[in-house]
Amino acid sequence: GENVEQHPSTLSVQEGDSAVIKCTYSDSASNYFPWYKQELGKGPQLIIDIRSNVGEKKDQRIAVTLNKTAKHFSLHITETQPEDSAVYFCAASIRKGRRALTFGSGTRLQVQP
Amino acid sequence: DTEVTQTPKHLVMGMTNKKSLKCEQHMGHRAMYWYKQKAKKPPELMFVYSYEKLSINESVPSRFSPECPNSSLLNLHLHALQPEDSALYLCASSLGEARNSYEQYFGPGTRLTVT
Repeated sequence: GENVEQHPSTLSVQEGDSAVIKCTYSDSASNYFPWYKQELGKGPQLIIDIRSNVGEKKDQRIAVTLNKTAKHFSLHITETQPEDSAVYFCAASIRKGRRALTFGSGTRLQVQP
Repeated sequence: DTEVTQTPKHLVMGMTNKKSLKCEQHMGHRAMYWYKQKAKKPPELMFVYSYEKLSINESVPSRFSPECPNSSLLNLHLHALQPEDSALYLCASSLGEARNSYEQYFGPGTRLTVT
């Protein structure tokens, strides 16, 4: 079946450092790749997304890159802050016309003050 | 405003009970979703409604029964659940396939415990 793999499962950084989370997908028909942040006791919050016709997208301290050839995409967070601590999920829309999301397994990011 | 609301926030029910989860959005979205999320796991798709019609059922057991009374509301009716159904139930919405929109916005979820 279809699969989205996410690494690492946990990531601890010092405040001010950068954090990178990587995902790979299996279906070349995927065309939409969102990233969600989930804080304890809350629903996932869409923080950034990228479509397959774009290689990179940036929004303030966060950026996402996409390599369609290699079928992987990454989330980059610069100048991390304690409030960035959360679980981050990547996802892919992997059925053409369906728009249903399949999520990666999640990365628990801990930013140490 | 990208708000999806869900009620109740917490629900405890016995295996013989019947209860319902409610989801509401007023963003004009025409696609609505139910996901189930177990602890330390990603959300898993259960159902998709598109223009108030059920378009996807991910082989969910019949003890879960979705309903979309109108374009703003989505319900999930629960009956004869098992303890392993305890999870966070998330509702999401998006503009809809016909509008070539991909972004899904999630509600805060209902934490369900089956005793």
